[in-house]
Order: sequence, then structure tokens, then C-alpha cells
Amino acid sequence: NAGVTQTPKFQVLKTGQSMTLQCAQDMNHEYMSWYRQDPGMGLRLIHYSVGAGITDQGEVPNGYNVSRSTTEDFPLRLLSAAPSQTSVYFCASSRSRGEVYTIYFGEGSWLTVV
Amino acid sequence: AQTVTQSQPEMSVQEAETVTLSCTYDTSESDYYLFWYKQPPSRQMILVIRQEAYKQQNATENRFSVNFQKAAKSFSLKISDSQLGDAAMYFCAYTGGGADGLTFGKGTHLIIQP
Repeated sequence: NAGVTQTPKFQVLKTGQSMTLQCAQDMNHEYMSWYRQDPGMGLRLIHYSVGAGITDQGEVPNGYNVSRSTTEDFPLRLLSAAPSQTSVYFCASSRSRGEVYTIYFGEGSWLTVV
Repeated sequence: AQTVTQSQPEMSVQEAETVTLSCTYDTSESDYYLFWYKQPPSRQMILVIRQEAYKQQNATENRFSVNFQKAAKSFSLKISDSQLGDAAMYFCAYTGGGADGLTFGKGTHLIIQP
């Protein structure tokens, strides 16, 4: 059971380039989300999804796109990278609320935009 | 919108001593979940403890326990018999259990003095 898998773990981009951060979970979770973590901050929500075909914006969505074509995958796209998007990105998944509601995180993707 | 406040940017404790990390939150919901996450330098998000708001009993996990004061909207983490491996950033987080995930505090950097 791999849990939540993010790729790549490290990436350096040039300003204006595009890229996709991949996220996959094998726990059949309905909910998936993307966060970013900047120095001195907790994680902040970028986008989230309640299920295949349904996504919505979080606190800091500008500059990012998402889609959810399958239950397992939730990629995050940077359309035109900017230095302000240098951050550590986390993907997370969970079931809908219940007795043992727990949010599982991937190991993070370190992105540097130069 | 929900907010989570951790008022201690940094705490230091002697090995084997007890330390308490503070967290307050603001919500109009009556049913929700609160978490403490540990983040070592690897940036992995490790779940320390979870509290369901409808449960009056404070959660405990081995050396970790919480003091959950629902009326005061306070959720402090007590670490007993501190160990060198406890050194990390600790984040308090809130969720209503929906797909829009967690709201994090800014974190407390815990230092363990040998």
C-alpha cells in the first residue's frame, strides 16, 4: 500500500516554463487536495477535489490548474512558472468524514523557479 | 473563514522534560476535527494526534496528549518525557471534515536540549 505518491520530488524550472506535479493515491479516497508551504508558514490550500470530475479553488489558486479524471490521480499544473511559486508542494487525500477521519499526505515536491 | 493561531514560534525544552504547545482556533461549526502534525527537516507531514470535537475525552497517543477546551477553542499539545527525536516543527490544523481540507497554524519550532 503506497499511500499518496508525488512526483517529482525535486524540480528546478525557469520563469515562464510549465510543468505538472503528479499525485496518485491507492486508498480509493474521495477527497484530494494540493497545498503549498512557504517559509514561516503552515500549509495553504491551492485546489481540492471531492471526486472524479469535480474540483474547486482553495486559498491560493492563482497560477495553478487542476483536473481529476480518475479517483486515483490529481495532477497540479503550473502554466507559466513564476519565482513566487518557489515552494514545497504537498498532495493529500482522505475519505469523507467519519469515525477515523484522517488526512494522508505525500512526501512533498520541492519546486524552485529561477 | 476558520483560522488557527499558534502563538509560540519557537519552544525549547530539556530532554526528558514536559512541554506544552499552544493552539487556538476560530470556527462557527460545532462538529469538526483538530490535528497536530509533526514536520521534521525532511518536510514529511507526520500525524501526531487527532481530536474529534464531539468527543469530550482528550486524545492521547503514548507520550503525546492534548488539552481540548471546546468552549475556549483551545487545543494544546503536551509532550511528556521529551526525546531528541521530538525536535521538529509542529503544526496545529483544523478541518470541518469536508473536501476543502485543513487550515493550518504557522507552526511551532520545538528544540530539544540534551
